[in-house]
Amino acid sequence: QGQLVESGGGVVQPGRSLRLSCAASGFNLNNYAAHWLRQGPGGGLDWVAAIEHDAENEYYADSVKGRFYISRDDSKNTLFLQMNSLRPEDTAVYYCATDPLNDLFEYWGQGALVIVSS
Amino acid sequence: DIQMTQSPSSLPASLGDRVTITCRASQSIDTYLNWYQQKPGKAPKLLIYGAFNLHSGVPSRFSGSGSGSDFTLTISSLQPEDFATYYCQQSYDKPLTFGGGTRVEIK
Repeated sequence: QGQLVESGGGVVQPGRSLRLSCAASGFNLNNYAAHWLRQGPGGGLDWVAAIEHDAENEYYADSVKGRFYISRDDSKNTLFLQMNSLRPEDTAVYYCATDPLNDLFEYWGQGALVIVSS
Repeated sequence: DIQMTQSPSSLPASLGDRVTITCRASQSIDTYLNWYQQKPGKAPKLLIYGAFNLHSGVPSRFSGSGSGSDFTLTISSLQPEDFATYYCQQSYDKPLTFGGGTRVEIK
């Protein structure tokens, strides 16, 4: 059975960077588009970024555009989120998710907690 | 951006109850509407996609309906494992957006 496992979360100071990874096992991640989402302390779900299955296009929420970058390494069956210039409001649990068709989130990782605080 | 509004935000219910959750989009989204279930400390799980299509492995007591801007998620007979928070999400246009969630709790 397929699985997604996030790593790379932690506590970071404002203005610093962090890179999240999402390793897929049991299936080929390159058959899917993929997304990063987050859930802040208030509990709401927010979409962060998406990448097409062939990495041809990337898409970002306005709140992270120019600071966060999504990428994938199909040789490692892994999705990444490079987060730069982090702000306290980026504090959240970050999830990766697969997308079999048209911007829905079929399978999710367990989440990685990112805390941005001085 | 397309705003998604769920109601109610909290829904006390008993085992065996028929439960209905409503989701309204700020514009027409055809049937590009998906529903997720989330339990505390866990990632959300896809329940329904395309407004009414049951995701693999989801019990048939869950159903979805609607098109345009008004949608509903119905649980025909509430089971113990159904106490959770439910979110709608539009996949019509980016940015992809979610409703605020409906917490189904024990009455």
